[in-house]
Amino acid sequence: DAGVIQSPRHEVTEMGQEVTLRCKPISGHDYLFWYRQTMMRGLELLIYFNNNVPIDDSGMPEDRFSAKMPNASFSTLKIQPSEPRDSAVYFCASSLSGPGNTIYFGEGSWLTVV
Amino acid sequence: EDQVTQSPEALRLQEGESSSLNCSYTVSGLRGLFWYRQDPGKGPEFLFTLYSAGEEKEKERLKATLTKKESFLHITAPKPEDSATYLCAVHISGGYNKLIFGAGTRLAVHP
Repeated sequence: DAGVIQSPRHEVTEMGQEVTLRCKPISGHDYLFWYRQTMMRGLELLIYFNNNVPIDDSGMPEDRFSAKMPNASFSTLKIQPSEPRDSAVYFCASSLSGPGNTIYFGEGSWLTVV
Repeated sequence: EDQVTQSPEALRLQEGESSSLNCSYTVSGLRGLFWYRQDPGKGPEFLFTLYSAGEEKEKERLKATLTKKESFLHITAPKPEDSATYLCAVHISGGYNKLIFGAGTRLAVHP
């Protein structure tokens, strides 16, 4: 199994630019999660989907952030416009049956906004 | 407010020197407690799930235990390859179906 695949692995962008992070979950997993990790706040859940439907987006910081899951094998997290405080590692993760079961993380997308 | 606190923040051990990491929680209803390992530049990797007080799980040099207020990750005779950040997370009930992660303990094991 290839695991959760994220792209890009690293992105450096200028403030105000649009950033799109991509994720392919493990095949057969019904749940997909987007997390953000920073030194100050640790690992935070931004949003998660069940069967491509957003279930809880209460962690999305503000309207500049949006996430979509058009099909079972692809999701995007978009930041528009980006700000320096968005600099973080963004992880995509998936699980077979929800937050209470083993969650498998991708290797992360390292975002730097200058 | 639901909280997960890990201690210590960082721990330095000599190879073979056993120790324990702590994860204490204050949550409305615990449905499960998870331990993850995170290597630099990588995503967290699942280690254990514990569901009820008194439960224990083991894997190689690691043993996780759970009480009603906290969990311990015991590391016996650690090796340098055990160096990583160890994260605990709680799955809570009460309408909030999500994991809450602690800040982690950075473990360094020196030869």
